[in-house]
Amino acid sequence: DTGVSQDPRHKITKRGQNVTFRCDPISEHNRLYWYRQTLGQGPEFLTYFQNEAQLEKSRLLSDRFSAERPKGSFSTLEIQRTEQGDSAMYLCASSPGTLGDEQFFGPGTRLTVL
Amino acid sequence: GNSVTQMEGPVTLSEEAFLTINCTYTATGYPSLFWYVQYPGEGLQLLLKATKADDKGSNKGFEATYRKETTSFHLEKGSVQVSDSAVYFCALSVGWVQGAQKLVFGQGTRLTINP
Repeated sequence: DTGVSQDPRHKITKRGQNVTFRCDPISEHNRLYWYRQTLGQGPEFLTYFQNEAQLEKSRLLSDRFSAERPKGSFSTLEIQRTEQGDSAMYLCASSPGTLGDEQFFGPGTRLTVL
Repeated sequence: GNSVTQMEGPVTLSEEAFLTINCTYTATGYPSLFWYVQYPGEGLQLLLKATKADDKGSNKGFEATYRKETTSFHLEKGSVQVSDSAVYFCALSVGWVQGAQKLVFGQGTRLTINP
């Protein structure tokens, strides 16, 4: 297994456009997390899934953000009507889902909104 | 609420120097504490962890001790190498052992080691 993968690695878009990011977790990992990291800051939690169920969403996740994990495998994060403030690195992590286990992070998708 | 404060960077040291990166936290409940490292061009990796007071996490020559009385989890290494150059993040999770696992990160400290 090659770890958590994210696609695309970089995305440049114009303000007002919609964007979608994909995360492929490590096989057999039940939990999947999304974080957002702005320049010079640590990652901030956005949401997480246990299999296909979205169990928690941060208040950082406005109505323009939606995440899905159909069939409990890969996940998508969509941002509608992007704003310049959405420019950030979007990180995905997965974990086996057992008590006290480790989160494995992907390389991230860097979004730039012009 | 839950928060983590790290010593501001960047930190620049010479090879074989002693390293300390300070981390303090505020948490409701009893957090588990972590140090993550991000090497250039790579994703975040777990460096070490401690799940209860007085635990010491260690890995790759790095150590950190969970100090409940000072709410701290400082990262130390006795002799750094050029390959340790990276960004280091302190993080906590309340309810981690039970499975909640949402991580709260500090702002990160960029470390550069010169030969």
